[in-house]
Amino acid sequence: LMTQTPLSLSVTPGQPASISCKSSQSLLQSNGKTYIYWYLQKPGQSPHLLIYEVSNRFSGVPDRFSGSGSGTDFTLKISRVEAEDVGLYYCLQTIQIPYTFGQGTKLEIK
Amino acid sequence: QVQLQESGPGLVKPSETLSLTCTVSGGSISGYYWNWIRQPPGKGLEWIGYIFSSADTNYNPSLKSRVTMSLDAPKNQISLKLNSVTAADTAVYYCARARWLQQIYYPFDIWGQGTLATVSS
Repeated sequence: LMTQTPLSLSVTPGQPASISCKSSQSLLQSNGKTYIYWYLQKPGQSPHLLIYEVSNRFSGVPDRFSGSGSGTDFTLKISRVEAEDVGLYYCLQTIQIPYTFGQGTKLEIK
Repeated sequence: QVQLQESGPGLVKPSETLSLTCTVSGGSISGYYWNWIRQPPGKGLEWIGYIFSSADTNYNPSLKSRVTMSLDAPKNQISLKLNSVTAADTAVYYCARARWLQQIYYPFDIWGQGTLATVSS
């Protein structure tokens, strides 16, 4: 089970934002890798990958996005929110079947 | 670049079988994990399962008894069949690629645009 908080947040452009994702079990595998990912689904679009393995930005993702955490507690941070960052953010675990997403966090701009 | 396009009937009757196809262009389907993910209207994402080859599939236990995925390599297509559908299966269905590259797993690095399947009589 992946639990995201908050479920929604409203942020002024230029201000930071933070989303938490807590897993009911450790996402650290014996190989030393932690299988958590973050996605953004912009309005009317398919989701796209932002962060892989906790803290690695996927190709083309701006450096204002960062991921952190370990074990069961993880965070996605946006250092300075821009208007184009609006949408639904999801965390995903792939350490066990079934893969499961968090409920989603809706980011709006004030 | 690789692109995915889902297709299928937009309307399915209750108790019937939902059949969807994902057509891959710009690359081969070989060597990748092909996933189906769905999103009921206004709700979150649910992973349905993946297929790597005809002998390597993995389905969400909650749907396993009703799901079949298959590959058609010559056509570069992945198919999804979900039988005995109910209104609860109404959703946008996405296909998405996952891959291993240099010991790093990239789930869902490419997505299709999704197709809405409505279950209604």
